[in-house]
Amino acid sequence: RKEVEQDPGPFNVPEGATVAFNCTYSNSASQSFFWYRQDCRKEPKLLMSVYSSGNEDGRFTAQLNRASQYISLLIRDSKLSDSATYLCVVSFMNTGFQKLVFGTGTRLLVSP
Amino acid sequence: DTAVSQTPKYLVTQMGNDKSIKCEQNLGHDTMYWYKQDSKKFLKIMFSYNNKELIINETVPNRFSPKSPDKAHLNLHINSLELGDSAVYFCASSQEHSGGARSYNEQFFGPGTRLTVL
Repeated sequence: RKEVEQDPGPFNVPEGATVAFNCTYSNSASQSFFWYRQDCRKEPKLLMSVYSSGNEDGRFTAQLNRASQYISLLIRDSKLSDSATYLCVVSFMNTGFQKLVFGTGTRLLVSP
Repeated sequence: DTAVSQTPKYLVTQMGNDKSIKCEQNLGHDTMYWYKQDSKKFLKIMFSYNNKELIINETVPNRFSPKSPDKAHLNLHINSLELGDSAVYFCASSQEHSGGARSYNEQFFGPGTRLTVL
């Protein structure tokens, strides 16, 4: 079983749609959780951290359920520029330093 | 510009050759990483250095040897390249320890080096 699992997609949605991505992780010792965004042939960039209380950043809302080891990302009012791969990431401490474990990513294609 | 930079951006080479990829960050971070992203887009950590000391060493063939001459540089040397080494290699950096607190700090990635082994 992969440490972080995501539906690879692609999710094809029209502009203005709401889309949700889910992710599960296997290591219950995971301490921090994130969504990264990776555009085609580019490096990953942090989109947002994910907290148990849920957090929102504009059109993006992230949720964490530690009991179910489940993370979600909701994108409202999709824009063409949201087209990218969204990487679910968990971190845990390894020999006193954080180690990030990435999911394989969910590809989003927003069409006009 | 403040950033994580890598050279070269593209590297095409024959099987059996030895090659190096260089990484530099001018963000003042104390920790640097090498990741490999394979053809299935799976991004996996290979090595991590904190203040020039190796702290994470995943199960990577010993043909891969990282070297950190100083906090701002982390190079990756690969001996006897194999077809399976073809991938995009990303360098990243973060500030792990600030004031003794061990909380997450964002990792900033370089633009990647696309290695193709023929």
